[in-house]
Amino acid sequence: AQKITQTQPGMFVQEKEAVTLDCTYDTSDPSYGLFWYKQPSSGEMIFLIYQGSYDQQNATEGRYSLNFQKARKSANLVISASQLGDSAMYFCAMREGRYSSASKIIFGSGTRLSIRP
Amino acid sequence: EAQVTQNPRYLITVTGKKLTVTCSQNMNHEYMSWYRQDPGLGLRQIYYSMNVEVTDKGDVPEGYKVSRKEKRNFPLILESPSPNQTSLYFCASSPTSSLGGGKETQYFGPGTRLLVL
Repeated sequence: AQKITQTQPGMFVQEKEAVTLDCTYDTSDPSYGLFWYKQPSSGEMIFLIYQGSYDQQNATEGRYSLNFQKARKSANLVISASQLGDSAMYFCAMREGRYSSASKIIFGSGTRLSIRP
Repeated sequence: EAQVTQNPRYLITVTGKKLTVTCSQNMNHEYMSWYRQDPGLGLRQIYYSMNVEVTDKGDVPEGYKVSRKEKRNFPLILESPSPNQTSLYFCASSPTSSLGGGKETQYFGPGTRLLVL
């Protein structure tokens, strides 16, 4: 069965430092996709980055990058040069299957990131 | 503006009183989904729909019903709400794509806070 594990319930980081949020997953399907979302205190879910299991390169989106280690089944989110506005809850998620319209999506329990000025 | 809308945003009800939370998207997405978010548990998928008239259970479907009669709408129905369904509910949509076919994401609605007394 698919499973997503985020082992860091909370993290404190100094502003302008880089931060890595951990995510490990478990699946027997060779086709899957991994997502990271940000949820600020206002409650909305904001998509950050996506990595497909067949993608050769690690995904990057501005200050966000995904450290995808397929053999270790890890998909850590790296935020470079953290900002006060990065303080939020962060969720890792996965869906199995080749086609996005045909599968369940599961989320990890989240990591609360707090940026110190 | 591309968006997913949910109504109502806040709802207080009593045990057993049937309610419907509406979800609508204007992006012509095939895939729509409902999640509930509870502290410490992340988001859990309730139901998803691959297209009109096609729905399937997520991880926590008990006590919920959905329908997909039109592509843009995906209402969540609680026939007989109970206090353990008190939660924050999110609707989301995404286009169909295949892995390796490009970036994937889900667009989330703003959430509905439900309190069942």
